[in-house]
Amino acid sequence: EAGVAQSPRYKIIEKRQSVAFWCNPISGHATLYWYQQILGQGPKLLIQFQNNGVVDDSQLPKDRFSAERLKGVDSTLKIQPAKLEDSAVYLCASSLVTSQGGEQFFGPGTRLTVL
Amino acid sequence: RKEVEQDPGPFNVPEGATVAFNCTYSNSASQSFFWYRQDCRKEPKLLMSVYSSGNEDGRFTAQLNRASQYISLLIRDSKLSDSATYLCVVTRSTYKLIFGTGTLLAVQP
Repeated sequence: EAGVAQSPRYKIIEKRQSVAFWCNPISGHATLYWYQQILGQGPKLLIQFQNNGVVDDSQLPKDRFSAERLKGVDSTLKIQPAKLEDSAVYLCASSLVTSQGGEQFFGPGTRLTVL
Repeated sequence: RKEVEQDPGPFNVPEGATVAFNCTYSNSASQSFFWYRQDCRKEPKLLMSVYSSGNEDGRFTAQLNRASQYISLLIRDSKLSDSATYLCVVTRSTYKLIFGTGTLLAVQP
């Protein structure tokens, strides 16, 4: 079974530029998550989708970050404009259900460096 | 105060040693508990769920104490391949995973 796919794997940009990340979840997984993992910290949830609706975006910095999941499958996360503190790994995850027992499967992540 | 707190380590142990990691959480409404494992520059993967009754998976034993809001992970007979960061995770009602900062384990030959 194919896992969660993400691209690009690495991205280097200058501050104030824009960047977009793409995620393709495991087939059939209704729930999709975007996490930010800063070096030395655990992942932090940015946004959670159930199909193409947003369940939780309370920690998404909405002045610069946006995400969408059109058609309830693929998703994109955008940062515009980027700041130095956005340097992190952006992890996409998916799961079958949102109940307490559902395991989340993570993609390999996109490592973003903002100069 | 962070919602999930872990000793970041590193824990440097010889092969064959027994090592224990602890984790505390602050939100008494937390509903489910897990340990995830993250290898260097890789994505997190579920290691095991944690129950009040305790659960064991081979060399790994996890325990939850709801009264003390405390979670533990015990690894017996450590292998070189156990070297990784171990992330303590709790969830709330929407299955939002709240991660600790992780504990780094380095098993030495």
